[in-house]
Amino acid sequence: DTAVSQTPKYLVTQMGNDKSIKCEQNLGHDTMYWYKQDSKKFLKIMFSYNNKELIINETVPNRFSPKSPDKAHLNLHINSLELGDSAVYFCAASPSGAGGVGNTIYFGEGSWLTVV
Amino acid sequence: GESVGLHLPTLSVQEGDNSIINCAYSNSASDYFIWYKQESGKGPQFIIDIRSNMDKRQGQRVTVLLNKTVKHLSLQIAATQPGDSAVYFCAEKMGYSTLTFGKGTMLLVSP
Repeated sequence: DTAVSQTPKYLVTQMGNDKSIKCEQNLGHDTMYWYKQDSKKFLKIMFSYNNKELIINETVPNRFSPKSPDKAHLNLHINSLELGDSAVYFCAASPSGAGGVGNTIYFGEGSWLTVV
Repeated sequence: GESVGLHLPTLSVQEGDNSIINCAYSNSASDYFIWYKQESGKGPQFIIDIRSNMDKRQGQRVTVLLNKTVKHLSLQIAATQPGDSAVYFCAEKMGYSTLTFGKGTMLLVSP
């Protein structure tokens, strides 16, 4: 069983479209995240949810809207896609609480979004 | 040796060598650090972690060293194998904050 699974793995879409990426975790962790990885491999946090509540919202255009129907799922919806949105989007999950052994973040396999 | 590639610093080693990947972290108040390995087409995978009250931690073939004085973290991989070829990220965390990732180093292992 994959601990953090996200779909689709690959998505090619035209500018202006609206698309969603789904994420599910079976780890039973309270906190879920969306990270964006650019072409230079830099990983940056976008959002963090704890028990379905938004706790981190970095400087992300409001075209990006996360939704957490329950603590095992965190979906990412993107409106009016732009060329610059092309990237790899990673969903992740971790136990809540301060850093320490056992509080690591576990990542999904990524969703490769290409906007043409 | 190390070189700056088009996107990432790259470390090229021969199979069987020991590899050392370095990371300078930014926040002197960070109290938890993790090394991740990211293979091509996959998500970052946890390798080893260390808390700020330690200066060394060993795993299977990997050792993490933490020098808080100079805010430096290193990952040592013993007897490097071709399967170790990947991008390696260090990440830091302070208390309840989320992880902040470094820029990544590509490790290339030649047979």
